[in-house]
Amino acid sequence: DTEVTQTPKHLVMGMTNKKSLKCEQHMGHRAMYWYKQKAKKPPELMFVYSYEKLSINESVPSRFSPECPNSSLLNLHLHALQPEDSALYLCASSQPASGGAAKNIQYFGAGTRLSVL
Amino acid sequence: AQSVTQLGSHVSVSEGALVLLRCNYSSSVPPYLFWYVQYPNQGLHLLLKYTTGATLVKGINGFEAEFKKSETSFHLTKPSAHMSDAAEYFCAVSNTGGFKTIFGAGTRLFVKA
Repeated sequence: DTEVTQTPKHLVMGMTNKKSLKCEQHMGHRAMYWYKQKAKKPPELMFVYSYEKLSINESVPSRFSPECPNSSLLNLHLHALQPEDSALYLCASSQPASGGAAKNIQYFGAGTRLSVL
Repeated sequence: AQSVTQLGSHVSVSEGALVLLRCNYSSSVPPYLFWYVQYPNQGLHLLLKYTTGATLVKGINGFEAEFKKSETSFHLTKPSAHMSDAAEYFCAVSNTGGFKTIFGAGTRLFVKA
């Protein structure tokens, strides 16, 4: 099973709302990622968790708050977003550091299409 | 530092024609190279990868790519385009030790009937 599942598929929220995006994988991967993708652009890395610890934060605004409750789950908590935060949010996972060449192969979910009104 | 340049934001081919999507990379260490495909309203799917070993890499759906160190290139080809190949294609590079994958700007492939 090489599946990364993201929910919800679509989300519309107001600027004062609090919502969460969820990502789940059961491939035994110990690195999980959040990307933001604007239309007609490549994915931009936001956060990386390695062994449930935050490893990379690409200077993302604090209105985005990641959480990794266990090795299979990754959440992205959203609060007080701006209209410019509207985008496709992609989750990915990859093999642990001991996985050799496989560790850089990221498997992506289908994404959550977020619209901020 | 690593970077990726994809030549041509749009490529249009006729069905049955050769597909050639160009990618050049920059890396100070031996790179891992990838091609991903993204269909509308979907995530990225791995087409193929180069890590070490054979420089001609075969992927899914009849695609292949050749790693040419001397030219710092990793162009993607397919002998005969199919309508279902119409999508966005991203070339990407990473190094052996880190989590960061650097994506190119993407090339939109159009396939004409």
